[in-house]
Amino acid sequence: AQSVAQPEDQVNVAEGNPLTVKCTYSVSGNPYLFWYVQYPNRGLQFLLKYITGDNLVKGSYGFEAEFNKSQTSFHLKKPSALVSDSALYFCAVRPYNFNKFYFGSGTKLNVKP
Amino acid sequence: DGGITQSPKYLFRKEGQNVTLSCEQNLNHDAMYWYRQDPGQGLRLIYYSQIVNDFQKGDIAEGYSVSREKKESFPLTVTSAQKNPTAFYLCASSAEALAGVYEQYFGPGTRLTVT
Repeated sequence: AQSVAQPEDQVNVAEGNPLTVKCTYSVSGNPYLFWYVQYPNRGLQFLLKYITGDNLVKGSYGFEAEFNKSQTSFHLKKPSALVSDSALYFCAVRPYNFNKFYFGSGTKLNVKP
Repeated sequence: DGGITQSPKYLFRKEGQNVTLSCEQNLNHDAMYWYRQDPGQGLRLIYYSQIVNDFQKGDIAEGYSVSREKKESFPLTVTSAQKNPTAFYLCASSAEALAGVYEQYFGPGTRLTVT
């Protein structure tokens, strides 16, 4: 069965500090991995994706994510957090052979001034 | 949210009534999806469609129905058989993954409240 886990319901960081939002997955074959962000009462916005190649993927708004095949993880990172980064973040996985997406339960990121 | 519209933004219904949520996209995407979002549960797939006139049940299809008569449109009907219909509903679309891997684009969502 395909699944995505985001082990932290909430992550708190101070502005200017680095942030990490964790994601692990279980999917058959080589997966395609995505990160999305959601602001209150809005739809999800795409941040970045991993398809193949370099394990470090760079995306929108200074975010990046590191793919680790042996640990089946795809953690979202940013070197210096902003208060405006406060939002709900979702990790998603798509099997290589089917256009269906599986989402994690979301992690609320709080960045304090 | 660009390219996908959902209407209305807020919807209120009495228990026992069917209600239809609209989703339209102008991205020329083949695939469309409906998700339900509840606090602490992330997104759960209700129905998805890879092509016009074809759709498949997702993980929580009971009490819902869809149609895909046009490429641009994928309306969702919440029937009276859905036990807990109050939720935030999100529509999404993506290009068909034959020549690449494409992310989903999401609409702004419809918040349905049934009392």
